[in-house]
Amino acid sequence: DARVTQTPRHKVTEMGQEVTMRCQPILGHNTVFWYRQTMMQGLELLAYFRNRAPLDDSGMPKDRFSAEMPDATLATLKIQPSEPRDSAVYFCASEGPSSYEQYFGPGTRLTVT
Amino acid sequence: GQSLEQPSEVTAVEGAIVQINCTYQTSGFYGLSWYQQHDGGAPTFLSYNALDGLEETGRFSSFLSRSDSYGYLLLQELQMKDSASYFCAVRQAGTALIFGKGTTLSVSS
Repeated sequence: DARVTQTPRHKVTEMGQEVTMRCQPILGHNTVFWYRQTMMQGLELLAYFRNRAPLDDSGMPKDRFSAEMPDATLATLKIQPSEPRDSAVYFCASEGPSSYEQYFGPGTRLTVT
Repeated sequence: GQSLEQPSEVTAVEGAIVQINCTYQTSGFYGLSWYQQHDGGAPTFLSYNALDGLEETGRFSSFLSRSDSYGYLLLQELQMKDSASYFCAVRQAGTALIFGKGTTLSVSS
């Protein structure tokens, strides 16, 4: 049963600390997305990659957020320094070639105090 | 700008039929997707319409009118487990999705 995995599932940290979230896309999926979900803003696209190359990161605050795909099995989203307004659920999703269905991971619930 | 409008809440009883509408104003439209999300869970794919018309998948159907920038999700024979949030999402060039704010469906017995 192929699925997207994310770690950690929950993270509580103090403002100013670095946070790294990891995602393993479904094997064979070549497009990987990072979304953020909050009550106020809903689901927002932060960045996405195809074949490990970044295609769009315009949804990301550049000064503190960075996203990378060091290899086909790992995507990372880093926040440094973290702020209370970054508190949200961060979802990773992947999509296969010639597909229109995005598979979401379980999310990382981030709380910054 | 880009916007998707859908009702924030809908309530219904078991066995009923519910239609959740979505109107959109976006650039580079490729198609309209629908996702379901239960409380505390991840969004899961329900349907995708690239062409005008109705797509049926079991109890759920989705409709698109590109000329009207409008689509809807139709849920039939509602069950308690259908209580969830439903999101429409416009698919743009490059496969990026722009999501609406979601409609919370509450099904009661």
